[in-house]
Formats: sequence, structure tokens, C-alpha cells
Amino acid sequence: AQKITQTQPGMFVQEKEAVTLDCTYDTSDQSYGLFWYKQPSSGEMIFLIYQGSYDEQNATEGRYSLNFQKARKSANLVISASQLGDSAMYFCAMVRGSGGSNYKLTFGKGTLLTVNP
Amino acid sequence: NAGVTQTPKFQVLKTGQSMTLQCAQDMNHEYMSWYRQDPGMGLRLIHYSVGAGITDQGEVPNGYNVSRSTTEDFPLRLLSAAPSQTSVYFCASSRARTQRNNEQFFGPGTRLTVL
Repeated sequence: AQKITQTQPGMFVQEKEAVTLDCTYDTSDQSYGLFWYKQPSSGEMIFLIYQGSYDEQNATEGRYSLNFQKARKSANLVISASQLGDSAMYFCAMVRGSGGSNYKLTFGKGTLLTVNP
Repeated sequence: NAGVTQTPKFQVLKTGQSMTLQCAQDMNHEYMSWYRQDPGMGLRLIHYSVGAGITDQGEVPNGYNVSRSTTEDFPLRLLSAAPSQTSVYFCASSRARTQRNNEQFFGPGTRLTVL
């Protein structure tokens, strides 16, 4: 079974600084995908970034990058130049890469990020 | 293109009442899922569907039923509501994973309280 661990219940960062949100995962699959979602206080789930297990380069999407270390089974989210609007809950999630389970997400418990002015 | 829609946004039920949470998507996605979100628990999969007429259980299926008669709709039924089902419910959809990214699109959520 897959498991996602987010060890930081809460994080604080100063506006304009970079912040790293930790995510480790456990799976016996060779093929899998890793996602990060943002949930602001309004409640919707916003897709941020995706990394496939066979992707050789770390994924980047604007100010978001994913520090993927396969051997360590970690997929940390890096947010550069934090903005006040980045204050939200962040979820790491994993999907299996093959067979009939490649659409079921397993989520971590989340990290609440607060950006201070 | 409305994406994934859910109704209602808020609902209060009494213990033992039944209701249906509605979910619809207009992206012609094959895969649809229901998750519940509880404080400190992240999101957990309740039921999912890989296409019309095909459904299966997720991690926490007890107390919930689903059906998928069309590609667009995937309602979640609570047959006899219990206080333990107080939660925020999210519906999600995604296309078949033919490429590297099968991003799941989430609806806005339904906040359910069972008294």
C-alpha cells in the first residue's frame, strides 16, 4: 500500500523568501506519479505540479518546483519568492502508475503554510 | 466548460436521514472519484468509477453508495446519515492515464454536517 508522509503540520515564511515543504512516500511500485495540491481557506483544491517516477528532470511550474529524490523517496515542494496569497494548506499526493489503480490518489495530511508580510 | 460541479455546497442532516450529493463533469473524463476530508486526515478515497456502469470501493466506503449511469454524473448516496459522516466531500475527475500526467480536477466541495 502507498503512504504519503508530510512531517510539517505548519510552516511560516517571510514574504519574498523561498520555502520547502517536505513530502516522503512509500511504495513498492516502479511507476508512480506525485502531485502537489494547494487548498486555500476558501476550500477548493488547486493542482500545482506533477512529477512522474521516470521523469529525469525535476518538475517546475512557475514559482513552484519539485525536488524529486527517488532514492530517498522524497518529493519536496519548493516555492520561490513567497507571496501572501501562498498562505494555504498544501497536500502531497501519489498515484500508482500502472494497472487499474492509476487514478486513485493517496494524500498526505497536509502542511499549513503561513506567509508573513 | 464548467469543470467539476457539486451540489449542494452546504447541507445539514439529522442522524438517520438520507441524501444524495451530486457531482457532474463536462470534460468527458472517464475516471471519477469521491473523497472525504476530515481535519488532520488529508483526503481519503470513498468510491471511484472508471467509466459508466463501473464503480468500486476506495479506502472508506462504509455508509456510502455510488452509481455511474452516465459519463458525466457520479452521485454519492448516504443511506442513513451518522455523525461520523460529518465532513467535507470532494468529487474529482480525470482522463485516462495515457500520458504522464493524469491530473485530477476537483469540484468545490460539499460541507456536510450530521447532527
